[in-house]
Amino acid sequence: SQTIHQWPATLVQPVGSPLSLECTVEGTSNPNLYWYRQAAGRGLQLLFYSVGIGQISSEVPQNLSASRPQDRQFILSSKKLLLSDSGFYLCAWSVQDSRYEQYFGPGTRLTVT
Amino acid sequence: GEDVEQSLFLSVREGDSSVINCTYTDSSSTYLYWYKQEPGAGLQLLTYIFSNMDMKQDQRLTVLLNKKDKHLSLRIADTQTGDSAIYFCAEKWNSGYSTLTFGKGTMLLVSP
Repeated sequence: SQTIHQWPATLVQPVGSPLSLECTVEGTSNPNLYWYRQAAGRGLQLLFYSVGIGQISSEVPQNLSASRPQDRQFILSSKKLLLSDSGFYLCAWSVQDSRYEQYFGPGTRLTVT
Repeated sequence: GEDVEQSLFLSVREGDSSVINCTYTDSSSTYLYWYKQEPGAGLQLLTYIFSNMDMKQDQRLTVLLNKKDKHLSLRIADTQTGDSAIYFCAEKWNSGYSTLTFGKGTMLLVSP
């Protein structure tokens, strides 16, 4: 069966510090991978998605970046965090078929102080 | 706009039925989904419906789809306190996109 891992589970970082959040998927090959942010308003904002190694699509301009160095690894990064980067970050994967139903990881709670 | 719309909050008593409504954007959407998010956790896929279906039932869950009005609903029968969560509907556009469009979520509160 497939599983998706995210770490760390929680993170408190000062403004201006770097960020690296990691997501890995097990039990599937060549998945689509997604990063979402969920802020206080509860809605999900799609940040990045990837259909293959090294292929990253950005949905919104921001000071975050994403990379996919391996087939089942997706990394969210920032060189300098802003207060507005605080939120709940969710990674998800989907099979590359017509349904694209997504399966979510447990999330990382980021607080920028 | 290109938003999936949901009411923000629903409160029911344990044992009653809950109906969560959603209006989606693209009449050619192929798949529509319901996800559940418990506090502090990721989203869990509950069910999905293909656009050529009007209804889908899965145990206590019933999904109704009205394509004419672009309206999707999730009915939970015999609602339990463990059903308290945020429920998101999402649509898959019939295009080359590999992404889903999510609503802002409906918070369901079930009281004893």
